[in-house]
Formats: sequence, structure tokens, C-alpha cells
Amino acid sequence: DTAVSQTPKYLVTQMGNDKSIKCEQNLGHDTMYWYKQDSKKFLKIMFSYNNKELIINETVPNRFSPKSPDKAHLNLHINSLELGDSAVYFCASSQGETGGAGGYTFGSGTRLTVV
Amino acid sequence: QQQVKQSPQSLIVQKGGISIINCAYENTAFDYFPWYQQFPGKGPALLIAIRPDVSEKKEGRFTISFNKSAKQFSLHIMDSQPGDSATYFCACGSSNTGKLIFGQGTTLQVKP
Repeated sequence: DTAVSQTPKYLVTQMGNDKSIKCEQNLGHDTMYWYKQDSKKFLKIMFSYNNKELIINETVPNRFSPKSPDKAHLNLHINSLELGDSAVYFCASSQGETGGAGGYTFGSGTRLTVV
Repeated sequence: QQQVKQSPQSLIVQKGGISIINCAYENTAFDYFPWYQQFPGKGPALLIAIRPDVSEKKEGRFTISFNKSAKQFSLHIMDSQPGDSATYFCACGSSNTGKLIFGQGTTLQVKP
């Protein structure tokens, strides 16, 4: 069973489109995150939710809007996509803020390519 | 401003050798220091982690050395194997802010 699953795995879309990435975790964790990994592999946090409540919102364009319908799901909607949004987006979950001994569990990522 | 600096950017080691990756941080509020391993096409996976109340933690071939006064910590991979070839990320976490800040990553290649 996949612990943190993201869909789709690949997403190719044109500039200006709106797209969503879905994430689900079956670990019973209470905190979920979105990270962006750029072409140089740098991982940067975008958002985190604890029990459906937004707790971290980094300096991210407001074209990005996360939504957490319940503590097992965290989706990312992106409006008016730009070339610079091309990256790999990772969903992660943890029990507690830093995950304690368990750390973060990451999904396999969604590679977004904006053309 | 980079809060977590990782070096080297890339590393080539012969099979059986020791791989050493270093990390330095600035914020003394950090209280959790994990290392993550990432294979191509996969998400990062927790490898080993340490809290600042200990100076060393060992799990199998992987050891974290932690120097609180210098605000540095390192990952040592003993008897490096080709299967260890991956990208390694250090990270720093704070219970107050509830987020992990990652280093820039180190691409390790272990030659047979």
C-alpha cells in the first residue's frame, strides 16, 4: 500500500491553464505539506496543513491555492500557470510538526512541465 | 538567505570507501536534524535523524555527527556501496515553526 500517493505523476500543460495535483496519505498523520523541487533539486516548502488547518504559507504566489478536505488529503490548485512553475511538486506527511522519529514521508512527486 | 548550507554539491567515492557530507546551519532554534536520501524519480526518504542533545547517532553504515557549538552536522556512510548512489539532503527542523528547511543536496556516486 502506498503511504503517500500523488496524482498525476506527470503533468504537461500550456501557459495560462489551471491545473490541480491531488495527494492522499494513509498513514494516519495529522500534518501534510507541499514542497517544490526545482531543476537544481532544491526542496522548498510551500504550505503545510495540520488537521485541515493551514499552518505554514511560505512566500508563494497566490495563484497557488492548497485545499485540505480532511486530514488525509491535501490538494494543490494552480491558476494561470507560468513557465517558472515547471518543477517537481512533492506532497509529504508527518505526525506532528517535524515528524519526530518518523520524519516526513514523501510521495513520489508530480513533474509539472509548463510549455 | 540560505539557512542550511550543504557541501559538497557532488561526491564520487569508490566502493568500500567512506562518504562524508556536511551541513551547516545558522538558526539556533533548530532542534531536529534529519538526513534524507532521494533516488531518481522518487521522493526523499528519511535515512537517519538526530536531536541536539547527542553528538553522534549510528544506524548500520550511516552515522550522523553533530557539533552544536559549531552549528554543523555531517553524514558518514561507511563501506559505501553502488546502491548508495543517490542524492542526499540534510535538513533542519524547529518544533516552534513546524517546518523542515532542506540543504541544497549532494549527489553521491559510488563507483564499483
